[in-house]
Amino acid sequence: EAQVTQNPRYLITVTGKKLTVTCSQNMNHEYMSWYRQDPGLGLRQIYYSMNVEVTDKGDVPEGYKVSRKEKRNFPLILESPSPNQTSLYFCASSGGYNEQFFGPGTRLTVL
Amino acid sequence: SQQGEEDPQALSIQEGENATMNCSYKTSINNLQWYRQNSGRGLVHLILIRSNEREKHSGRLRVTLDTSKKSSSLLITASRAADTASYFCATDGGTGGFKTIFGAGTRLFVKA
Repeated sequence: EAQVTQNPRYLITVTGKKLTVTCSQNMNHEYMSWYRQDPGLGLRQIYYSMNVEVTDKGDVPEGYKVSRKEKRNFPLILESPSPNQTSLYFCASSGGYNEQFFGPGTRLTVL
Repeated sequence: SQQGEEDPQALSIQEGENATMNCSYKTSINNLQWYRQNSGRGLVHLILIRSNEREKHSGRLRVTLDTSKKSSSLLITASRAADTASYFCATDGGTGGFKTIFGAGTRLFVKA
């Protein structure tokens, strides 16, 4: 089944404790992206990647890192999480300038 | 920055009625997409319309695009309770690449 998976789905952590949210797709898509969703703000793009080793900043990259060492994986790294990074995070992938396929989301709470 | 702005923010209708949602954006675009999101879940792609297209249909969905007004509308005909969801427009901001800008969304509630 073609899908985008994210782990973990839920995470509660404390300020400053480094964490990684994994994202993997099995559709051989070149493009992958991370978004955060906050009430009333829709989805905001954090980082995106056009291909392996190619990443670029979205609208809200501060406080986040990404890497794209393999085509199928695009982890999101929070080196020192803060409470304002409490949000619902989505990973997405696409095979071209077309529809994006979204993962199920990761709900992160930073205390 | 928020590119797409949906209007209305919330819409409540009876089953069988049509639902119209609007999206306005600020910059030139290459394409505009509409997505649906059921409560707290991942977004599902509905339809893409390119900047040189004016109207597109997919089942009960009809999307229009007016690049001169920088606006798009999504019409859902004969709505069903299962259409209850949030609907978002997304643009590429004219970059031609994969930078994606979503609006804040319209929450649609269809009463059975």
